[in-house]
Amino acid sequence: EVQLVQSGAEVKKPGESLKISCKGSGYNFPGYWIGWVRQMPGKGLEWMGIIYPGDSDARYSPSFEGQVTISADKFINTAYLQWSSLKASDTAIYYCARRIREHYSRGWTHQYNYGLDVWGQGTTVTVSS
Amino acid sequence: QTVVTQEPSLTVSPGGTVTLTCASSTGEVTSGFYPNWFQQKPGQAPRALIYSTSNKHPWTPARFSGSLLGGKAALTLSGVQPEDEAEYYCLLYYGGAQLGVFGGGTKLTVL
Repeated sequence: EVQLVQSGAEVKKPGESLKISCKGSGYNFPGYWIGWVRQMPGKGLEWMGIIYPGDSDARYSPSFEGQVTISADKFINTAYLQWSSLKASDTAIYYCARRIREHYSRGWTHQYNYGLDVWGQGTTVTVSS
Repeated sequence: QTVVTQEPSLTVSPGGTVTLTCASSTGEVTSGFYPNWFQQKPGQAPRALIYSTSNKHPWTPARFSGSLLGGKAALTLSGVQPEDEAEYYCLLYYGGAQLGVFGGGTKLTVL
């Protein structure tokens, strides 16, 4: 069974650092991109960025570039999301999700389907003085 | 800043049919945006329903279908069940599926 299991809830003060994790099992973890998604209290989903654990190639949404760091350790099947200095506005639930890519041929061309399929259970981060 | 727009709320009767849409501020939504749809119920993680416009995951109920409609991505629920009451989010990919943008979500009420 494909699973993503995230680390537990965190309560931090403004200015503190934090690293949360997302551990994959049941599939070839290094071979699939992992995305991170934020959900602020009572709000919608926001795409933060994505990483390929096989070579740690990370891409960020412009809104989150420079605000967080996404990393991965392919040897322990784990992706990370970290902050160097938390703000109250970082209070949210953070989800990781696996991105799938399916190849198919249409005539002489190669095509792909993309999707986020399996999601972690979410990590609640509360930042308060 | 790319904006993805969904209907804020929709209401449907049990057994009815409803279509949710997803528009891009950049223009027409095509298959190259690989539209994804997710369902989220209160207190739960999102659950994937549709990927790349119309492909279903193994767990997706048959009453959910995805398509392109009038320049937008669309999610149609046919024979709506009470348990379909939830928030629904679309996701569009930009820049070769490395950058995604979620819509604001549609709150679906079954009444």
